[in-house]
Amino acid sequence: DAMVIQNPRYQVTQFGKPVTLSCSQTLNHNVMYWYQQKSSQAPKLLFHYYDKDFNNEADTPDNFQSRRPNTSFCFLDIRSPGLGDAAMYLCATNHPGQGAVTQYFGPGTRLLVL
Amino acid sequence: GESVGLHLPTLSVQEGDNSIINCAYSNSASDYFIWYKQESGKGPQFIIDIRSNMDKRQGQRVTVLLNKTVKHLSLQIAATQPGDSAVYFCAETYYGNNRLAFGKGNQVVVIP
Repeated sequence: DAMVIQNPRYQVTQFGKPVTLSCSQTLNHNVMYWYQQKSSQAPKLLFHYYDKDFNNEADTPDNFQSRRPNTSFCFLDIRSPGLGDAAMYLCATNHPGQGAVTQYFGPGTRLLVL
Repeated sequence: GESVGLHLPTLSVQEGDNSIINCAYSNSASDYFIWYKQESGKGPQFIIDIRSNMDKRQGQRVTVLLNKTVKHLSLQIAATQPGDSAVYFCAETYYGNNRLAFGKGNQVVVIP
């Protein structure tokens, strides 16, 4: 089945230790998104890639970076995680060029910072 | 650790009854609306969408109603089941915008 895959599902890191979360998709969508979601809140967009074009949100801290080496994969790098970065991180995709405005989400990676 | 979140509006509904979840959206330019269901520990799951040229759309056991005059969106779930227990988010966007604006979320608790 075509889908959005996130690995790992749970990630534990130490304060200040760089961590990378990964997302892959078999939908062949040209847009990939990274969201941060904290308890009982709506997902908050960090950035997105439209093909190879990176689009950062104005309020996304510099501590968060992203890479998209090809259509299928997108990575979220947290350079120096703080306790406040503990959250669920969601990847999503869509394909506006085909009229597919709806974003499809992966299962998320729960990040714990010790 | 993760900061304490807000308390979500909660709808408690008896199994088999109908549920109605409401959402007020903010941007009068929005022309596309989506409802997502998010179960605990999972990513948001697409339920149903509606374009601004419609005021009603039906899916399997779900109906979305759109009132553009008052910028209001609702999701009706017929014959609510325990598996419907989740947080429901509405989201809005417009043609050419690659971003979704999410509503605050509503918790639905189904009582067996």
